[in-house]
Amino acid sequence: AQSVTQLGSHVSVSEGALVLLRCNYSSSVPPYLFWYVQYPNQGLQLLLKYTSAATLVKGINGFEAEFKKSETSFHLTKPSAHMSDAAEYFCAVTRAHDSARQLTFGSGTQLTVLP
Amino acid sequence: DARVTQTPRHKVTEMGQEVTMRCQPILGHNTVFWYRQTMMQGLELLAYFRNRAPLDDSGMPKDRFSAEMPDATLATLKIQPSEPRDSAVYFCASAPGPTDGTDTQYFGPGTRLTVL
Repeated sequence: AQSVTQLGSHVSVSEGALVLLRCNYSSSVPPYLFWYVQYPNQGLQLLLKYTSAATLVKGINGFEAEFKKSETSFHLTKPSAHMSDAAEYFCAVTRAHDSARQLTFGSGTQLTVLP
Repeated sequence: DARVTQTPRHKVTEMGQEVTMRCQPILGHNTVFWYRQTMMQGLELLAYFRNRAPLDDSGMPKDRFSAEMPDATLATLKIQPSEPRDSAVYFCASAPGPTDGTDTQYFGPGTRLTVL
């Protein structure tokens, strides 16, 4: 079984400040990890994904995440927050080589960007 | 710009009524997922299909929910009879090959269901 824990259901940062959203996973087999973003009244959109290539993954809108096996973490960062980054962010995990491609989502982190 | 479409976007109905939600996956995608999102439970996988065949519907209440893919361009999720606890946003997502788990799931905009 696999699971994802997102620490902090709400995170507030000032515009221009560092964004750090935390995600820890549990998986009995090598995982693939994803970050999705959800804007109000919209579906989820992929930000980035780790699929066992480079451990530092760059995504859209200036976001990146680093896979750390020793810490079972996949935290999402952005050097400088923008007002348009305000949204809910979901970390998700699936098993590597899982032909079923089932994603298990975390509970989400609502990011607020303060002017 | 290919995208997943869902209809209706909003549905308000009374308890006991039948509800049908529709999804058009991205053309060429062979896997379709149905998710439900609520404040209390977050995002839950209800069911998914590959090449129109149901692979797993263990997340779905069997007595009232049913999911089908009549053809490759249409997936349906039906609730009969509906109950207030079914109020949620229902998302459809589709994914292309290959089958190694690296491909992205593309989400539709969701159907917001309110059961009174």
